[in-house]
Amino acid sequence: EAGVVQSPRYKIIEKKQPVAFWCNPISGHNTLYWYRQNLGQGPELLIRYENEEAVDDSQLPKDRFSAERLKGVDSTLKIQPAELGDSAVYLCASSLKGTERYFGPGTRLLVL
Amino acid sequence: SQQGEEDPQALSIQEGENATMNCSYKTSINNLQWYRQNSGRGLVHLILIRSNEREKHSGRLRVTLDTSKKSSSLLITASRAADTASYFCAGSGGSNYKLTFGKGTLLTVNP
Repeated sequence: EAGVVQSPRYKIIEKKQPVAFWCNPISGHNTLYWYRQNLGQGPELLIRYENEEAVDDSQLPKDRFSAERLKGVDSTLKIQPAELGDSAVYLCASSLKGTERYFGPGTRLLVL
Repeated sequence: SQQGEEDPQALSIQEGENATMNCSYKTSINNLQWYRQNSGRGLVHLILIRSNEREKHSGRLRVTLDTSKKSSSLLITASRAADTASYFCAGSGGSNYKLTFGKGTLLTVNP
């Protein structure tokens, strides 16, 4: 069974530029999560999807972050414009029953 | 709310020794989960213990949960160099979808 796929693995951009991350969850997992992990910290939830509906986006900075999960499968997380403080690892995870999360390898973002 | 705070922040042991990591949380939980993260990779789910369970085993892993003290411990027996990673606990309270991670314990197993 293929795991959660994320791309790109690394991204370096200049501040004020836009950036997008893509995630393909495990087949059949209806719940998808985006987390942000700062250096030396645990992951923090940005948004959770149930199928194509965003059911928890309370921690998503909506002025510059947006996400979508068309057709309830793949998802894209976008930042526009990026700021220096957005440098982090962005992790996508999925789950079947809302209990244990299956994480992708993450996208390491560096904003210069 | 903080639903997972690991102790110690870092732990260094020799191969073959046991490693114990502790986790404390602040509010009631439905279950508590432990994850491992190797350098530069995503998190891997290790074990889940429910609030009505006191102890659970999985291979070389042993997890305990004390809901009266709001604490959990993860024991890795006969450690190997490949166990070198960061270990996170995460508590799930209310809806099972709300999972809050601690800062992790960095375990180094020296060969």
